[in-house]
Amino acid sequence: DAKTTQPTSMDCAEGRAANLPCNHSTISGNEYVYWYRQIHSQGPQYIIHGLKNNETNEMASLIITEDRKSSTLILPHATLRDTAVYYCIVRVRGGSQGNLIFGKGTKLSVKP
Amino acid sequence: DAGITQSPRHKVTETGTPVTLRCHQTENHRYMYWYRQDPGHGLRLIHYSYGVKDTDKGEVSDGYSVSRSKTEDFLLTLESATSSQTSVYFCAISESGDSDPNEQFFGPGTRLTVL
Repeated sequence: DAKTTQPTSMDCAEGRAANLPCNHSTISGNEYVYWYRQIHSQGPQYIIHGLKNNETNEMASLIITEDRKSSTLILPHATLRDTAVYYCIVRVRGGSQGNLIFGKGTKLSVKP
Repeated sequence: DAGITQSPRHKVTETGTPVTLRCHQTENHRYMYWYRQDPGHGLRLIHYSYGVKDTDKGEVSDGYSVSRSKTEDFLLTLESATSSQTSVYFCAISESGDSDPNEQFFGPGTRLTVL
């Protein structure tokens, strides 16, 4: 089972920031938080990852709480093309090498 | 986009027939993975490879076999397809594998229907 909890769906107005929350209360100290997204019928796409510190790249920002039990993915200016299912993943140690366990994710709908 | 292609992109076959799906990469990444995606289950790992001729089972490996004779190709074989193997299959590649960071790049997917 996935080690994360995400809302099933969210809406966001085009041009506004989309803030997608994720709970991972059982995260271990050496586990990273990864975010992927999947646009309809396409393969998942890597967005960002982090361990303790906040991270930012050209796609998004990742805010991780100090206790690391939750995080928020921020898309600063959502566009219609950001409509997708967003997966928050805590990377499993000790299992299959590099295995990513995908849960059900959050379906983000960006509306005009 | 990472250089990953999957073939075929769509296939319809009958129960009991063998099926082979191909994943081809041009990135020279060491690790390759096969996932399946079904409604209500998300993506689940079938098999993965950590080098030429080095493979291991994932979460849902029963009924599937894999082979990797070259760095760039990872084949998934259904020896005798069943209707429960109707799914969308995704291949992924990764440079690092078990070490961090483990960013995986996914192919476009193969939609397989077993009648």
